[in-house]
Amino acid sequence: QQQVKQSPQSLIVQKGGISIINCAYENTAFDYFPWYQQFPGKGPALLIAIRPDVSEKKEGRFTISFNKSAKQFSLHIMDSQPGDSATYFCAAGGTSYGKLTFGQGTILTVHP
Amino acid sequence: DTAVSQTPKYLVTQMGNDKSIKCEQNLGHDTMYWYKQDSKKFLKIMFSYNNKELIINETVPNRFSPKSPDKAHLNLHINSLELGDSAVYFCASSQGPTPPYEQYFGPGTRLTVT
Repeated sequence: QQQVKQSPQSLIVQKGGISIINCAYENTAFDYFPWYQQFPGKGPALLIAIRPDVSEKKEGRFTISFNKSAKQFSLHIMDSQPGDSATYFCAAGGTSYGKLTFGQGTILTVHP
Repeated sequence: DTAVSQTPKYLVTQMGNDKSIKCEQNLGHDTMYWYKQDSKKFLKIMFSYNNKELIINETVPNRFSPKSPDKAHLNLHINSLELGDSAVYFCASSQGPTPPYEQYFGPGTRLTVT
């Protein structure tokens, strides 16, 4: 059962633009929402994470927006750079011993 | 120093064979995980160990058997390999299982079953 739905599947953005990736979850018991970045041939790496007690978290050019009532959260990448080109995964956790449920992933391409 | 390492990086084998993937972490973490990433890049947890004890065991064929000889190592043994087992397998570790801690992933092992 897919519990975290991510969109879009792929995204093309011009350098300097804003990249927005959205996720929706079903299980209201989730209380931890990380975003992972994965480059080709590498393992995923944590980018930024949020808990439901705040509606927004910003780290540098990366911002998570969280809407608890809608059960949705999104990643915004400001001033997107070609080096940001990667696959991004949202995830949700907190229900069981560190288990993370991942979204399907978004392939981001930033054109110079 | 590599935080989470896996061997081998690539594994090509025939159907019916048995193979193992090894994982080691030098972060001093208590919890380790195995994930499977399929051809569509979907990541799914398979197992998790905390202090050598199995705490997560998802719906995985019993041909897959994890073993944790100590906190720093988590191996995955696969019996009677099938074509559908072809995927990238990631090991990960975290400080503990709860509250949710950052999970550090290894570089992955690409398994190809022919």
